[in-house]
Amino acid sequence: DTAVSQTPKYLVTQMGNDKSIKCEQNLGHDTMYWYKQDSKKFLKIMFSYNNKELIINETVPNRFSPKSPDKAHLNLHINSLELGDSAVYFCASSQWGPQETQYFGPGTRLLVL
Amino acid sequence: GDSVTQMEGPVTLSEEAFLTINCTYTATGYPSLFWYVQYPGEGLQLLLKATKADDKGSNKGFEATYRKETTSFHLEKGSVQVSDSAVYFCALSSPGGTSYGKLTFGQGTILTVHP
Repeated sequence: DTAVSQTPKYLVTQMGNDKSIKCEQNLGHDTMYWYKQDSKKFLKIMFSYNNKELIINETVPNRFSPKSPDKAHLNLHINSLELGDSAVYFCASSQWGPQETQYFGPGTRLLVL
Repeated sequence: GDSVTQMEGPVTLSEEAFLTINCTYTATGYPSLFWYVQYPGEGLQLLLKATKADDKGSNKGFEATYRKETTSFHLEKGSVQVSDSAVYFCALSSPGGTSYGKLTFGQGTILTVHP
């Protein structure tokens, strides 16, 4: 049973296109996150949601819009893709609280041409 | 703001060698500290954590102690195996404010273990 799943695993697209990445967790957690990992492996948080409410919104361009239809899902929609958006995007989930372990999905590798 | 600094990599060791990966942090308040590991082509998974000063986290032969006085959380293993080859990330979780629960990562250390 996959705990945190993401689709698609790979995404290759042209500049200017719009794309979505989906994330689902079956751990019963109430908090979900999106992280971006660049080509040098550096990881940075983008968003977090708790009980479908946006908690953290780092300095991410408006072209990125998260959406949480329920506690088990957090999707990421990206408009007008740019070359610099090429990265691996990880979804994670946890119980609410800074001491809680975050469980990561397998990642979505996005390549913008 | 919060930050985490890890020793520069990559680190290359022979099997059964001793491993230390240094990690220091800057944070307001009392963060929780984590080590995550990323195997090739996979997501991150928790290796160990410590939530208060002097706590020692341990798992799979790896250990790290939360040192508030030196703001450090160094990762150690007495005898590495080829299967330990991966990228290791030190991270802290903000205890309050607008960044509540946010993980701030170090830059990652690539470890390669040769037979």
